[in-house]
Amino acid sequence: KAGVTQTPRYLIKTRGQQVTLSCSPISGHRSVSWYQQTPGQGLQFLFEYFSETQRNKGNFPGRFSGRQFSNSRSEMNVSTLELGDSALYLCASSLGTGAIREQYFGPGTRLTVT
Amino acid sequence: DAKTTQPTSMDCAEGRAANLPCNHSTISGNEYVYWYRQIHSQGPQYIIHGLKNNETNEMASLIITEDRKSSTLILPHATLRDTAVYYCTLGSGNTGKLIFGQGTTLQVKP
Repeated sequence: KAGVTQTPRYLIKTRGQQVTLSCSPISGHRSVSWYQQTPGQGLQFLFEYFSETQRNKGNFPGRFSGRQFSNSRSEMNVSTLELGDSALYLCASSLGTGAIREQYFGPGTRLTVT
Repeated sequence: DAKTTQPTSMDCAEGRAANLPCNHSTISGNEYVYWYRQIHSQGPQYIIHGLKNNETNEMASLIITEDRKSSTLILPHATLRDTAVYYCTLGSGNTGKLIFGQGTTLQVKP
């Protein structure tokens, strides 16, 4: 079955702009989680969506937001971009119910803010 | 959130067992230990997880101490393709939230 897909794979934006990243989970998966990965901070949890509702939220400012659609696809938005937002943004999908076993990560979107 | 601590790097000879330790002394009673690995900045790949019992699958074995404050991931016969960053993470087991540590860079050498 097809894996987790993320679009776009690479993105260059300017400070102050906003950006929207997209994640399509594995068919049948209802949970999508987002992570930010930087060399300094490592992998940090942003938020998780399950059945169109935010179920968990990490410690990020309100400029970071997300949503999930009825087909489980998810988007995350970053407004008023800062240089420090340059990172690899990863999404992961899982069934979302019962005991969660593995999560499947996508290849990521590499965002560069100049 | 409970944290994990891992050595920054380790080397292993090809064909030998790789034993990767992880400390999670503040783990909660309902938190699972998950191991993922990441190769060349691809998305992390799930390896194994456990709550309190030792676990084994086709990729690895997970040994969790009785007090659950530490665990060890064992790759029984390391190959060059196992060179990666290995993350010991904690999760509640019923949500997608994972708390990642800094990971261990495992270098498998011929």
